[in-house]
Amino acid sequence: GIQVEQSPPDLILQEGANSTLRCNFSDSVNNLQWFHQNPWGQLINLFYIPSGTKQNGRLSATTVATERYSLLYISSSQTTDSGVYFCAVGHRGSTLGRLYFGRGTQLTVWP
Amino acid sequence: GAVVSQHPSWVICKSGTSVKIECRSLDFQATTMFWYRQFPKQSLMLMATSNEGSKATYEQGVEKDKFLINHASLTLSTLTVTSAHPEDSSFYICSARAFGLKRGGRYEQFFGPGTRLTVL
Repeated sequence: GIQVEQSPPDLILQEGANSTLRCNFSDSVNNLQWFHQNPWGQLINLFYIPSGTKQNGRLSATTVATERYSLLYISSSQTTDSGVYFCAVGHRGSTLGRLYFGRGTQLTVWP
Repeated sequence: GAVVSQHPSWVICKSGTSVKIECRSLDFQATTMFWYRQFPKQSLMLMATSNEGSKATYEQGVEKDKFLINHASLTLSTLTVTSAHPEDSSFYICSARAFGLKRGGRYEQFFGPGTRLTVL
């Protein structure tokens, strides 16, 4: 398989602050997705980003595949950003496309 | 686009009964669907991968006879927990890999809202 490590495991912020979440992976990937799991358990797709940089509103993500890491940036945090953020990768060479999940970052944003 | 539904959202059953969970891709065809379970405060654990019309591939340690998976069409997969026991209580989530979607990537997965199973 492939190992996925996320950091930090917990992050507490004041509303309005910026943050960076990191995802390291141990091998080449053909898929990398960032998710936000809301309090009801739904996984919301944030980014599909096996390489490069993308932005969507206050969120942006960068994956440097050659160095095997990805970063998720959250700017001007809001209380609604609270929840668990997961990074998941697909191993290059896997035709089934299974995802390997990290342990997640628990983000708490206080008003 | 790329919506995945699950039914039921939650279910409570008595020990020894069987429970069926449905996973549907509503606006796309899913060549491959995946079933995960998640315990409180933990990450998702892949249980099995299913392709339409073929047998599911189970992860090591997952009992095939306990967790029956059927992927009968390109929009529907079902997970049946047979003879459920309290230790089967968990949050079960399905995902689907799209076929022919214009948006997203070739390997991108979309997740259902999950089913919370409680076995008494």
